[in-house]
Amino acid sequence: QSVLTQPPSVSGAPGQRVTISCTGTSFNIGGGYEVHWYQQLPGTAPKLLIYGDFNRPSGVPGRFSGSKSGTSASLAITGLQAEDEATYHCQSYDSTLRGYVFGTGTQVTVL
Amino acid sequence: QVQLQESGPGLVKPSGTLSLTCAVSGGSISGYYWWTWVRQPPGRGLEWVGEIYDDGRTDYNPSLKSRVTVSADKSKNEFSLKLTSVTAADTAVYFCARMISVAGTWHFDSWGQGTLVTVSS
Repeated sequence: QSVLTQPPSVSGAPGQRVTISCTGTSFNIGGGYEVHWYQQLPGTAPKLLIYGDFNRPSGVPGRFSGSKSGTSASLAITGLQAEDEATYHCQSYDSTLRGYVFGTGTQVTVL
Repeated sequence: QVQLQESGPGLVKPSGTLSLTCAVSGGSISGYYWWTWVRQPPGRGLEWVGEIYDDGRTDYNPSLKSRVTVSADKSKNEFSLKLTSVTAADTAVYFCARMISVAGTWHFDSWGQGTLVTVSS
């Protein structure tokens, strides 16, 4: 059950900037729980992209950035590259469900 | 760099028990980590299943809690998942993952490649 809502797809030309939203409620994102983002290439496991709302693990390019405001979070990809074609998932914690929750996933297409 | 590898039957009969093991290499399962199972039904999003901590504490998705058991074998450096009374709705790619805390924020930092389990007669 995905309690965090993401747009099914976003697209952009190489070099452009795209953003992916992740909308929750006061029981998860709005309740102060941190948001993390994962990139999943076709047929592979998710890979950590952003943790703690806006932190990048070592090795993740600087063109990926995260932010959060109210009950929503966003992932921005600047200078879009062909290798960024993947599905992106947000993740947080929900106090009513008492567990970790993921977003519905967003497919990014590079035109 | 820690590596995780899932193993187990790829086909389980309805009403049967799904059993998977995650072998951890490149690091010990002992330590300040939660060892976790996440699943992804075909064409759908990710769902947290359950996890176990170093001291044996477990935590489960409430929607699955009555059917799930996660255990660990430190001597083999592996942890396992059992899901009972399975139905077609449990068909999914099952990932094992490590949850780590950095500056107080818990997140999944390492994942196995995933294994597809199909529930069918």
